[in-house]
Amino acid sequence: EPEVTQTPSHQVTQMGQEVILRCVPISNHLYFYWYRQILGQKVEFLVSFYNNEISEKSEIFDDQFSVERPDGSNFTLKIRSTKLEDSAMYFCASRPLSYEQYFGPGTRLTVT
Amino acid sequence: AQTVTQSQPEMSVQEAETVTLSCTYDTSESDYYLFWYKQPPSRQMILVIRQEAYKQQNATENRFSVNFQKAAKSFSLKISDSQLGDAAMYFCAYRGNNAGNMLTFGGGTRLMVKP
Repeated sequence: EPEVTQTPSHQVTQMGQEVILRCVPISNHLYFYWYRQILGQKVEFLVSFYNNEISEKSEIFDDQFSVERPDGSNFTLKIRSTKLEDSAMYFCASRPLSYEQYFGPGTRLTVT
Repeated sequence: AQTVTQSQPEMSVQEAETVTLSCTYDTSESDYYLFWYKQPPSRQMILVIRQEAYKQQNATENRFSVNFQKAAKSFSLKISDSQLGDAAMYFCAYRGNNAGNMLTFGGGTRLMVKP
């Protein structure tokens, strides 16, 4: 069964550094998402992406964040200058035309 | 904006017994979708069950079923014959018909299963 994959599984970075989190959505899916979950808290929406552009973003998704689908298979989330409060689990999700979203296993980001 | 509320931070159930997790939501939309996701210690988000708001019939997936009360904006999850592997965080989620179709999650309920 096709799965959403994410790399790396765990990323440790220093405050102020740039990080890129990578996702490979399921191949025939059209909509892509990033969510984050700070430890012990709820899952929060960051951004949705369709037809090579952002379709919606939350107030969390400020100028420090960007997304790309550089090669038709990968879907990346970049954080330009990480802060301590960016430490969280980041989930990628994708969906076809139907409404069900499929989540990847997540990337744990630790900012020191 | 839509909100999703899970009023039970923790629940416990005896193995083989039945447990019900509560979820309420607030929306002005008439067409939407509701989900329950399971998050085990690995933190993977696993879809358990889904419900379309336009369907009156409650969704069922094996031991998992929902009680969807549209007028009351309530969407509870019933787990029958609980198993040790059911122990996890459970999140209720709402999806409306906005441009991004993103999910709005509740705060989660930690389910413990006692042997």
